Amino acid sequence: AQTVTQSQPEMSVQEAETVTLSCTYDTSESDYYLFWYKQPPSRQMILVIRQEAYKQQNATENRFSVNFQKAAKSFSLKISDSQLGDAAMYFCAYSPLNRDDKIIFGKGTRLHILP
Amino acid sequence: DARVTQTPRHKVTEMGQEVTMRCQPILGHNTVFWYRQTMMQGLELLAYFRNRAPLDDSGMPKDRFSAEMPDATLATLKIQPSEPRDSAVYFCASGFNRGRLDFGPGTRLTVL
Repeated sequence: AQTVTQSQPEMSVQEAETVTLSCTYDTSESDYYLFWYKQPPSRQMILVIRQEAYKQQNATENRFSVNFQKAAKSFSLKISDSQLGDAAMYFCAYSPLNRDDKIIFGKGTRLHILP
Repeated sequence: DARVTQTPRHKVTEMGQEVTMRCQPILGHNTVFWYRQTMMQGLELLAYFRNRAPLDDSGMPKDRFSAEMPDATLATLKIQPSEPRDSAVYFCASGFNRGRLDFGPGTRLTVL
């Protein structure tokens, strides 16, 4: 069975500092997508970043970057220069390639930004 | 900017009542998903459709939940009868085989 594990239920970081959120997953597939979704207090699920497993280069989106370690099945999210607006629940997620977009989510990490 | 819409945004009802949640997926998307979010279980996949056909509803309690797509612009999730343990946020999401989903704003359901 495919599973996604986020071992940190909550984290805090000082504004302007860097924080890394951890995620591991389990799958027997060789091709798949990995995602980080952000859920602010508004509840809206927002896609932060996406990584295709066949690409070795780590995805980046402005202050957000990932460390994708395929052999270790690890997919961590790094947020640089943390801002107050980054405070949210962050979900790591997995989707088999071209399988109807079905996404499996981890339990989430709540990120607090300290002013 | 195309978005997934859901109605109602909030619903408070009494145990035993029927609840219907509606979703309008993004035009052109061919997959539609229903997720339920609770504090204890996180985001659970309840059911999903491809080209309006149900593909997997194994995550859904069959005795009281039902999901349908009467047409390409409407997906429904119905609970009958509702129970307090059904209280949660229900998300609809749509996609188009490109490895990402667009989520609606969710329906917060409270069953008293």
